[in-house]
Amino acid sequence: AQSVTQPDIHITVSEGASLELRCNYSYGATPYLFWYVQSPGQGLQLLLKYFSGDTLVQGIKGFEAEFKRSQSSFNLRKPSVHWSDAAEYFCAVAQSGGYQKVTFGTGTKLQVIP
Amino acid sequence: KAGVTQTPRYLIKTRGQQVTLSCSPISGHRSVSWYQQTPGQGLQFLFEYFSETQRNKGNFPGRFSGRQFSNSRSEMNVSTLELGDSALYLCASSPGTGSGEQYFGPGTRLTVT
Repeated sequence: AQSVTQPDIHITVSEGASLELRCNYSYGATPYLFWYVQSPGQGLQLLLKYFSGDTLVQGIKGFEAEFKRSQSSFNLRKPSVHWSDAAEYFCAVAQSGGYQKVTFGTGTKLQVIP
Repeated sequence: KAGVTQTPRYLIKTRGQQVTLSCSPISGHRSVSWYQQTPGQGLQFLFEYFSETQRNKGNFPGRFSGRQFSNSRSEMNVSTLELGDSALYLCASSPGTGSGEQYFGPGTRLTVT
């Protein structure tokens, strides 16, 4: 069965600093991978997705993520964090091809300090 | 395109009552999934409907049910509410054609007293 691990429950960074959120997945073949962001009391917004091809994918709001098959990882990065990036971030995996059941990680809460 | 809409946004119910939540997906999307989100359990998958058929179901008791209409709108119903059902219920729509990406509504905040 597919699974997703986000090892960091809570991360605090200073505004302007770089950010990396970790995501490890377990899946037998090449998965579809996603990062979502959720502001308090809101739904989830899709930041970026990886299906195939270039392992470095660009998303909205200046985020990017790199797929590393050898490490089963799909870490989210941003070079310079803004206060408005404070939110909860979810990594998700879906099986490629056919019907996809999407599995979400437990989320990482990002706090941004001035 | 309009996004995913969920109604109502907030709901307060009493234990033992039942509740129906509604979700209208993005136009053209045929798949609707429902999730329950709580601080303790995180985001948990309830079920997914595609073209009016339930395609997959999470590990929830039979008190949780859903349906999808021919226009892809979906409803979920929770009967005999328990305090533990208090949660944010999220609906997500997708084309259903194999990409796996989902677009979420703002959620319905259900409080059971």
